[in-house]
Amino acid sequence: AQKITQTQPGMFVQEKEAVTLDCTYDTSDPSYGLFWYKQPSSGEMIFLIYQGSYDQQNATEGRYSLNFQKARKSANLVISASQLGDSAMYFCAMRETFLGLTFGKGITLSVRP
Amino acid sequence: NAGVTQTPKFQVLKTGQSMTLQCAQDMNHNSMYWYRQDPGMGLRLIYYSASEGTTDKGEVPNGYNVSRLNKREFSLRLESAAPSQTSVYFCASRAKLAGSTDTQYFGPGTRLTVL
Repeated sequence: AQKITQTQPGMFVQEKEAVTLDCTYDTSDPSYGLFWYKQPSSGEMIFLIYQGSYDQQNATEGRYSLNFQKARKSANLVISASQLGDSAMYFCAMRETFLGLTFGKGITLSVRP
Repeated sequence: NAGVTQTPKFQVLKTGQSMTLQCAQDMNHNSMYWYRQDPGMGLRLIYYSASEGTTDKGEVPNGYNVSRLNKREFSLRLESAAPSQTSVYFCASRAKLAGSTDTQYFGPGTRLTVL
């Protein structure tokens, strides 16, 4: 079974609108972390936001927020007030112990002017 | 403060050749990682080093070896390159920040082509 599932093949959003990128995960470990990374066309991996499994509140970082629903095992990324520079591939990832991160296949986001 | 650096940025090898990808971080992190990214895929863990002097296999270790030379440096070696190892390779180090915040910082990547 996939540990991280990102099923949206591609997303489009109008500039200045909000967009939600979906991510579901699968783990039996009670302690885990969830991450979102942005990969623009230049190829680098840019850390956006982190949510720990024991965190009571949803994580926020500027225009990014993580909608964490533990019972449903979902960790959706919400980008508010989209900008043209937000066009990129977005990856959801999970950490279990020291085994590094397990990544989903990513979602392409295109922001329209 | 350069973060995570990788060399080289690009490399073309012939099947059977060997090479070492270099990675260094200047953030005093204990844990370091090597990932590969194939087209249309997320990153997959090759090897990791939880601390200086230790290394362990990740999801796709076959065909690779690693060395944690010191706390700063973590190298990845391909002993006999194969076309299936054509990929973009990322090195990362882990930071456990204030409170519960946790992240991995990635290097810029090495684009490797094996002919």
